[in-house]
Amino acid sequence: DTGVSQNPRHKITKRGQNVTFRCDPISEHNRLYWYRQTLGQGPEFLTYFQNEAQLEKSRLLSDRFSAERPKGSFSTLEIQRTEQGDSAMYLCASSLAGESGNTIYFGEGSWLTVV
Amino acid sequence: DQQVKQNSPSLSVQEGRISILNCDYTNSMFDYFLWYKKYPAEGPTFLISISSIKDKNEDGRFTVFLNKSAKHLSLHIVPSQPGDSAVYFCAASEWDDKIIFGKGTRLHILP
Repeated sequence: DTGVSQNPRHKITKRGQNVTFRCDPISEHNRLYWYRQTLGQGPEFLTYFQNEAQLEKSRLLSDRFSAERPKGSFSTLEIQRTEQGDSAMYLCASSLAGESGNTIYFGEGSWLTVV
Repeated sequence: DQQVKQNSPSLSVQEGRISILNCDYTNSMFDYFLWYKKYPAEGPTFLISISSIKDKNEDGRFTVFLNKSAKHLSLHIVPSQPGDSAVYFCAASEWDDKIIFGKGTRLHILP
C-alpha cells in the first residue's frame, strides 16, 4: 500500500501529557499537510510543508503544537500539555506541488482522546 | 469566517435516484474545487475536482457543476447506491494553496 500512513491510529492520554503523531506521505509527494477534524466539522487546516520547509501555520495552531518534517519525507505533529479541547481526529495529507490544481490525499487519521 | 459553506447538514435519497449535494463559497480567488467522501473513523477520500475554467466535470456516476457567477457548485450522484451513504465535503483552494473545507453533508441512501 503506497497511500498516506498515520501512526498511531488511536491515542488516549491524560490531560497535561505530551503526544506525538507520525505521518508518512505518498512517496513521490513533496507537500504534506496536517488537518484537525472534530465532530460535525470539516477538516480544519493546521499547517503544511513543501519538502522540509514549513510554509504556513494556521492561527488555530497554538504554541503547544509543533510540526516537523526534518528530511522532507515523514512528518511529526507534537502536542504538548494536552487539553481536553485537543480531542479530535488529526489528519495528514500529501500532494505533488505543481500538478494541475492541488489535490491532496488523506491518511486514515489519528484519533486523540484527552481524559 | 466560513469560506466554504454546505448549508444542508444531511440529505436522504432513495436508492437509484439522483443525489444532489450543494456548496457555496465566498472567496472569489478560489479557482480549484474538490469533493471528498468520508466514512466513519476513516480519512476523507478524494472523489472529483473541477477547475474554474470549466463548468462541468464528470467521472462515472459523479458529476460536479460549477457556477462561478453564483459562487456555487454541486455534486450529482446518479444512480445513488447504498455504498454512497457517507459524509461529503466540499473543498476549495486558490490553485496551489492550502485547501479549505466545508462542514460536510451527510448523505443517507434509503433502500
